[in-house]
Amino acid sequence: DAMVIQNPRYQVTQFGKPVTLSCSQTLNHNVMYWYQQKSSQAPKLLFHYYDKDFNNEADTPDNFQSRRPNTSFCFLDIRSPGLGDAAMYLCATSRGGFNYGYTFGSGTRLTVV
Amino acid sequence: GQQLNQSPQSMFIQEGEDVSMNCTSSSIFNTWLWYKQDPGEGPVLLIALYKAGELTSNGRLTAQFGITRKDSFLNISASIPSDVGIYFCAGQLDSSNTGKLIFGQGTTLQVKP
Repeated sequence: DAMVIQNPRYQVTQFGKPVTLSCSQTLNHNVMYWYQQKSSQAPKLLFHYYDKDFNNEADTPDNFQSRRPNTSFCFLDIRSPGLGDAAMYLCATSRGGFNYGYTFGSGTRLTVV
Repeated sequence: GQQLNQSPQSMFIQEGEDVSMNCTSSSIFNTWLWYKQDPGEGPVLLIALYKAGELTSNGRLTAQFGITRKDSFLNISASIPSDVGIYFCAGQLDSSNTGKLIFGQGTTLQVKP
């Protein structure tokens, strides 16, 4: 089945230790998004790629970076995780434009110890 | 920035009851989407609305795109225990290629058997 896959589902990292979350898609969608969702809150957009074009949200901390080496894969790098970065990280894809909904992955739950 | 005001914040109902939740905004949206999120999972698309005034059903779910393009509601009829979860409205107002989504704060639904 075509889908958006996030790995790992659960990630524990040490304070200040770089961590990478991955997302892959078989939908061949142009756009890939990374959202941060804290408990009982709405997902918050961090950045997105339209093909290879990177778009950063104005309030996304510099501690967060992203890479999209090809259409299928997108990575979220957290350079120096702090306790406040503990959250669910959601990857989503879409064809782009405003006539298509997003398809979300199951998310990666990040714990910082 | 653009905001979506979603209400109610939470609901606790008896199985079999109907449920209604809504989203409003001061901005005009091109698309309204309704998602359901189960604990530890990513949001799953329930209904997508693309035209002002559009009324769309998906099983026991009905949603409408407000005529002013600034609001939307979601109704669930004859609720069942598996309806439990967090429901998010989301709007797309960016008609460029990326179709960026803005989320409401979510409505937490609990159903008592």
